[in-house]
Amino acid sequence: DSGVTQTPKHLITATGQRVTLRCSPRSGDLSVYWYQQSLDQGLQFLIQYYNGEERAKGNILERFSAQQFPDLHSELNLSSLELGDSALYFCASSVSPEQVSQGGYTFGSGTRLTVV
Amino acid sequence: AQTVTQSQPEMSVQEAETVTLSCTYDTSESDYYLFWYKQPPSRQMILVIRQEAYKQQNATENRFSVNFQKAAKSFSLKISDSQLGDAAMYFCAYRSPLLGGSEKLVFGKGTKLTVNP
Repeated sequence: DSGVTQTPKHLITATGQRVTLRCSPRSGDLSVYWYQQSLDQGLQFLIQYYNGEERAKGNILERFSAQQFPDLHSELNLSSLELGDSALYFCASSVSPEQVSQGGYTFGSGTRLTVV
Repeated sequence: AQTVTQSQPEMSVQEAETVTLSCTYDTSESDYYLFWYKQPPSRQMILVIRQEAYKQQNATENRFSVNFQKAAKSFSLKISDSQLGDAAMYFCAYRSPLLGGSEKLVFGKGTKLTVNP
């Protein structure tokens, strides 16, 4: 157990629907990162939050949004889902930006999203 | 923008043998960080080893070591005495040193390593 908890582990939904993925970072970690892993694109950075504030955005679609709450857990909202959104969505956390350089992230085990 | 290339989609090795996974990257920065992550069938991303670009000494972690060639922008991973549990996808990743900006990692597409008994 890495200490980063992602729920649910699996999610199957229909096109056009909206889902919410949840991430609880490791205790003490202030930064949360979301990544999408698909077969064709590999691991793509979506968005980063640090202590409740958005810190950086990557290749995140406008249909996707995220937030980090005061208790530091984060949610990734995916709406108007398309077949191509089927992927493994990872959350990762770190204590601080500096810690990423020292030890990388701590990843959760991911949420497998299947859009049918 | 930085890019990371892993030119070997798949590799195989016999148990107890040594295997080297290749990674090249493109950057205009002089200081950065490089990582190798392992993703077994459980899907968990596990940090294997890291290297700071300003350090000339190659990082080692038990059976895992890297060959960091900064001028060539190459960062290969050597696994010695391969074990069945080493079978996994291996991802090379790059991290910019910029403070105050994003700490995102840029990943390669991965190399699938099979360990044959």
